[in-house]
Amino acid sequence: DQQVKQNSPSLSVQEGRISILNCDYTNSMFDYFLWYKKYPAEGPTFLISISSIKDKNEDGRFTVFLNKSAKHLSLHIVPSQPGDSAVYFCAATPRRGNEKLTFGTGTRLTIIP
Amino acid sequence: NAGVTQTPKFQVLKTGQSMTLQCAQDMNHEYMSWYRQDPGMGLRLIHYSVGAGITDQGEVPNGYNVSRSTTEDFPLRLLSAAPSQTSVYFCASSYLGQQGHNEQFFGPGTRLTVL
Repeated sequence: DQQVKQNSPSLSVQEGRISILNCDYTNSMFDYFLWYKKYPAEGPTFLISISSIKDKNEDGRFTVFLNKSAKHLSLHIVPSQPGDSAVYFCAATPRRGNEKLTFGTGTRLTIIP
Repeated sequence: NAGVTQTPKFQVLKTGQSMTLQCAQDMNHEYMSWYRQDPGMGLRLIHYSVGAGITDQGEVPNGYNVSRSTTEDFPLRLLSAAPSQTSVYFCASSYLGQQGHNEQFFGPGTRLTVL
């Protein structure tokens, strides 16, 4: 049973426009959510995170929104740049200091120049 | 700092062979873990460790062994390789904070093919 779901395997966005990547989760014990970015032949790199006590977190061009009632989070990238083309993974951890990450299946984002 | 390093980058094994995937980190992180990435399945946790001498199973531990004799190293052993273990393997590490939510740093991965 996939506890973290990314239902869009791929997404194409024009350079300069907004990219919105979505993630849904089913486990109500998840307390902390992260987005990782992965280029081919490299390991994932941390992008941005959000705790369940917040509904929004911003870091430069990247903003993550959390809707706890809907068990949904989204990553907004504004403006999108060619270097943002990568696979994006949503991940979640349960409460009380558990470091074990549960990942979604990833969304491949392609920025069209 | 080299961060998280993994060796080898690529490996081809025959069914039944054993091997060890190496992982090392130089950031003095307490927490280390192994994931495998398969097409359409994201990354799945194999084993993890919260410190030297302490290991535990993740979501998909069968067919793999780990040990943690030092803070720096966390090798993953395949006891008898099977084609189902063909995958890309990632090692990751992080601090264990009071709240326990810390950024995990990933190595570059080992691509393993079992024939």
